[in-house]
Amino acid sequence: DAGITQSPRHKVTETGTPVTLRCHQTENHRYMYWYRQDPGHGLRLIHYSYGVKDTDKGEVSDGYSVSRSKTEDFLLTLESATSSQTSVYFCAISPAGGVEKLFFGSGTQLSVL
Amino acid sequence: EDQVTQSPEALRLQEGESSSLNCSYTVSGLRGLFWYRQDPGKGPEFLFTLYSAGEEKEKERLKATLTKKESFLHITAPKPEDSATYLCAVPSPGGYQKVTFGIGTKLQVIP
Repeated sequence: DAGITQSPRHKVTETGTPVTLRCHQTENHRYMYWYRQDPGHGLRLIHYSYGVKDTDKGEVSDGYSVSRSKTEDFLLTLESATSSQTSVYFCAISPAGGVEKLFFGSGTQLSVL
Repeated sequence: EDQVTQSPEALRLQEGESSSLNCSYTVSGLRGLFWYRQDPGKGPEFLFTLYSAGEEKEKERLKATLTKKESFLHITAPKPEDSATYLCAVPSPGGYQKVTFGIGTKLQVIP
C-alpha cells in the first residue's frame, strides 16, 4: 500500500470552529490532493498541490485553505466549519499528476454539528 | 462542462452472473480513463488506466474497455468479494493535475 496517513480518522466539531486535517506521505510524490466525498456527488476536488508551497483550487474550494511546507505533508484547514462541510475527506497522491493513477488515504470522517 | 456519468447507480448480481458497468464521458481530448474500486470505509483503489479507443485491460474477473465515448467494466462470474463501489475518472483537459470522478456504481454480489 502507498504510504499515506490521514489524521484524524474521525472528528466531530461544532459550527464556527477551525479544523485542520493532515495528510502525510512517505512516497515523496510531487502531487497531493484533497477530495471530499458526499452521497450523490462522488469525489470532488477541493485543493491540490504540485510542489512545496505550490497549491491551486479545485471545484469546491470555498471555505477551505491548504498549506504544504514540506513534500510529505499537506494540510487542509476549514477556517470556520459549517454543517455543509460534514463529509468524508480523502487525501490522494500521485507521482505525475492527473494523468497517472492516484493513491488514496483511508479518509477522515468529519461531522460538523 | 466536462462530465463523467456512470450507470447503473447500483447493481445486484447473483454469484456467477456476469454483467457490465458503464462510464460515459464528455471531456474533449481524452488523456486517459481510470477505474477505481472503493470498499466501504476505505479510499478508492486503482484498478486500470485506458488511454485509447479499443484498448482493453484485464485483472482477474474484471475487464475494462474503452471507446471514443464510453468505457465498460465487464465483470465475469463475479464473487461476493467483488462487492464494492466502482468509480471511473478522467483527467481534466488543460489542467492535467485535476481529475474528475463519476459518482460510481455500487455492486453487490449475492452468494
